[in-house]
Formats: sequence, C-alpha cells, structure tokens
Amino acid sequence: GESVGLHLPTLSVQEGDNSIINCAYSNSASDYFIWYKQESGKGPQFIIDIRSNMDKRQGQRVTVLLNKTVKHLSLQIAATQPGDSAVYFCAEKLTGGGNKLTFGTGTQLKVEL
Amino acid sequence: GAVVSQHPSWVICKSGTSVKIECRSLDFQATTMFWYRQFPKQSLMLMATSNEGSKATYEQGVEKDKFLINHASLTLSTLTVTSAHPEDSSFYICSANTPRSQETQYFGPGTRLLVL
Repeated sequence: GESVGLHLPTLSVQEGDNSIINCAYSNSASDYFIWYKQESGKGPQFIIDIRSNMDKRQGQRVTVLLNKTVKHLSLQIAATQPGDSAVYFCAEKLTGGGNKLTFGTGTQLKVEL
Repeated sequence: GAVVSQHPSWVICKSGTSVKIECRSLDFQATTMFWYRQFPKQSLMLMATSNEGSKATYEQGVEKDKFLINHASLTLSTLTVTSAHPEDSSFYICSANTPRSQETQYFGPGTRLLVL
C-alpha cells in the first residue's frame, strides 16, 4: 500500500550543527507535503510546507527539499538548538484525496550540548 | 492565528464510562476538523474527518458507534469515546483547516485519556 516513511528513527546532533531529517514517500499522486514538529505531550506544530510543483522552500532556519524523481522529502534545520529537540513528522496529501494527511513514522531529533 | 484548543488536556475515567473531548478553533472558522489518535512513540492515525453540519467520515477500522463525532458549529467539534475501555487509552489530537488554506492542518494540544 501507499505509505510515507522515514529513514532514521533517531537523529542526534551537536548544538549549532545543521540537521537533516529525511522522509520517503511512495505515492506519486501526492501534491502537498508538510513537516510538523511534536514535542513530548503536545500536539504537532506546523513548521513548513511545500507543493509538488516546487523543489525547495525556505523558512526561518528551516529548508524543505522535495525530490519527486526519487520521492524524497527532507527537512534541514540550520544551527540546531536545544529547543529543536522533538519528534519530526512528514505528512503528505494525495491529489483528489480530500484534505486528509498521511503521516510518516517520525524521527526523534536529539540535540546534544 | 490558526489556534486550536482542546479540552480537557487529560482525563482519567473508569472502564465503561463515556468521555467527551472538545476541539475548538479560536481565531478562525473551520469547516473541516480532523480527529487523530496517537499511541506512545507512534505516528498519528487519522480516525475521522468532521465536517460542520454533516456526518463525520470515519477511517476504515474506526467504530462509528464507539467514537461519536459532532461538528455542530464552525468552531467546535466534539469526540465522545463511549463505553471506554483500557485499550482506548491514548493521546487524542484534533486539527483544523483554515479558510485561507484548506490543505494545511493546525493541531490542538491533544487530550491524554487514561481508562482504568
């Protein structure tokens, strides 16, 4: 079946380094992607989104890259801070699937001091 | 903008009782709200899509009679877990679309349910 998955369940980085969180998706019909950050015991927080007609989008300290050829999505966090420690989820929306989102399995980002 | 609240933030109940969880969009009107369930260290699983003024659309495997959803206004959706059992213990999270973006979902803070 179709799925959205992440390569790494846990990512540890040093404070100040850049982080890259990856996500593989299998449905070529997806036309919209979102990255969410979820801290322990809280709801997911919107970080950044990208449409399938784009391959890169930048926000504040974050960049999302979309490679439709290999169905790969990544989230880059510049100068990672302790407050970035959380679980990060990618989510995809299927074209014609209403506005439902399918979530990936999540990556735990740990920032070491 | 796009603030979503949930109440209560946590609840403990006895097996067999019913629990109601409220989801509110505070600064916008949401025609569509979504209900998710999340078990520890797992991803979010969509339970149902709630549209204002109409019946909710449930995902496969989600019991309609057990998880009652009501979306009576553009700012409020409720999820009632009927005859709760310990296996219903989970983190329940709602989300909503904004009028400006029908695709982006903004999430509430979640409700932790523990059924004894």
